Amino acid sequence: DGGITQSPKYLFRKEGQNVTLSCEQNLNHDAMYWYRQDPGQGLRLIYYSQIVNDFQKGDIAEGYSVSREKKESFPLTVTSAQKNPTAFYLCASSPRQGADSPLHFGNGTRLTVT
Amino acid sequence: DAKTTQPPSMDCAEGRAANLPCNHSTISGNEYVYWYRQIHSQGPQYIIHGLKNNETNEMASLIITEDRKSSTLILPHATLRDTAVYYCIVRSYSGNTPLVFGKGTRLSVIA
Repeated sequence: DGGITQSPKYLFRKEGQNVTLSCEQNLNHDAMYWYRQDPGQGLRLIYYSQIVNDFQKGDIAEGYSVSREKKESFPLTVTSAQKNPTAFYLCASSPRQGADSPLHFGNGTRLTVT
Repeated sequence: DAKTTQPPSMDCAEGRAANLPCNHSTISGNEYVYWYRQIHSQGPQYIIHGLKNNETNEMASLIITEDRKSSTLILPHATLRDTAVYYCIVRSYSGNTPLVFGKGTRLSVIA
């Protein structure tokens, strides 16, 4: 089945540690996105990538880093500089240029940092 | 991207049509209207999108007013599984731009 895989579903880390969240897609989509969601809130954009080896900051990029070395993969690293890392993280992808191509989302990774 | 305004919550009886409104009075001519929904602790699910004309698919219908300043998502026969947060989003046509999410409408379908 084609889709977006985020792993793991739940992740626990100690404060001060960097952690990398995985996002893989087998839909052959060009663009990929990372969003963060806090309880009772909408999604906020962290980073996005429209093509391999290129990415742009979203609204809340501070404390996060990404790479896009392969079309199918867009890992997100939550660094120790992120002040409030506990959140629900969602990855998405879309097939082609233009607003007439919906984003498809994974089922998220819930990160808890204590 | 244009901003959208949605009611924070709505109720709907099971089996009845659910009509979810969205105001996007500052929308420009090259911006699409998208609808997504999110069931608790899952990723958002794409429902439908449109530019000017009304659209229908197997999940829902999208009615866009002639002046494009508002739209309504219609779930024709709501079931308990349609209980979710519904997001109305306006997206610029230029490039593969990300979606900008607001807080959405929490729809509760009641038996």
